[in-house]
Amino acid sequence: SQQGEEDPQALSIQEGENATMNCSYKTSINNLQWYRQNSGRGLVHLILIRSNEREKHSGRLRVTLDTSKKSSSLLITASRAADTASYFCATDGGTDKLIFGTGTRLQVFP
Amino acid sequence: GAGVSQSPSNKVTEKGKDVELRCDPISGHTALYWYRQSLGQGLEFLIYFQGNSAPDKSGLPSDRFSAERTGGSVSTLTIQRTQQEDSAVYLCASSWTGDEQFFGPGTRLTVL
Repeated sequence: SQQGEEDPQALSIQEGENATMNCSYKTSINNLQWYRQNSGRGLVHLILIRSNEREKHSGRLRVTLDTSKKSSSLLITASRAADTASYFCATDGGTDKLIFGTGTRLQVFP
Repeated sequence: GAGVSQSPSNKVTEKGKDVELRCDPISGHTALYWYRQSLGQGLEFLIYFQGNSAPDKSGLPSDRFSAERTGGSVSTLTIQRTQQEDSAVYLCASSWTGDEQFFGPGTRLTVL
């Protein structure tokens, strides 16, 4: 079964707005990662946050992690049409293999 | 090579036929993963190779699925007696450790 669940399943916003996606997971983790997927093909790694970190930034991306609630959020600021994609969180569940969530489909309208 | 490559990019086959999907990981990456993604769904873990250790096959959906990794590099995922429900995009990824995974473009399998 899926380790992670993203919320919302789909999100539509205008360019310039911020997009927030949430991820919940079930077991203890060493790290949590966010990936982006365009057009249902290969995934691209965005950011990794370790279990002892609470917040991490990378460009327009901000990720938070709350291990007590087993949840994470991905914030994309000042969104662009090119940010349109599906976004997945992935957790390691304390092992070397990643378990992916169900994904959030983000649509950014120009 | 510069990234993970997979072949073929698309495969159409008839129900009951066997198919082989190939993955060339990034050189030097010790870990290799296979995932399956059905239309509009998340990624489903299939199998994981790490160095010379026995592979983690816990995600393979049936005994029709098998995979091998030769020489710690190239991997082949084989699906025997394909069924229509096997239709999906099959993604391969490699990594140095359990951290960031680098994905190939995937193979889209269609079973008629």
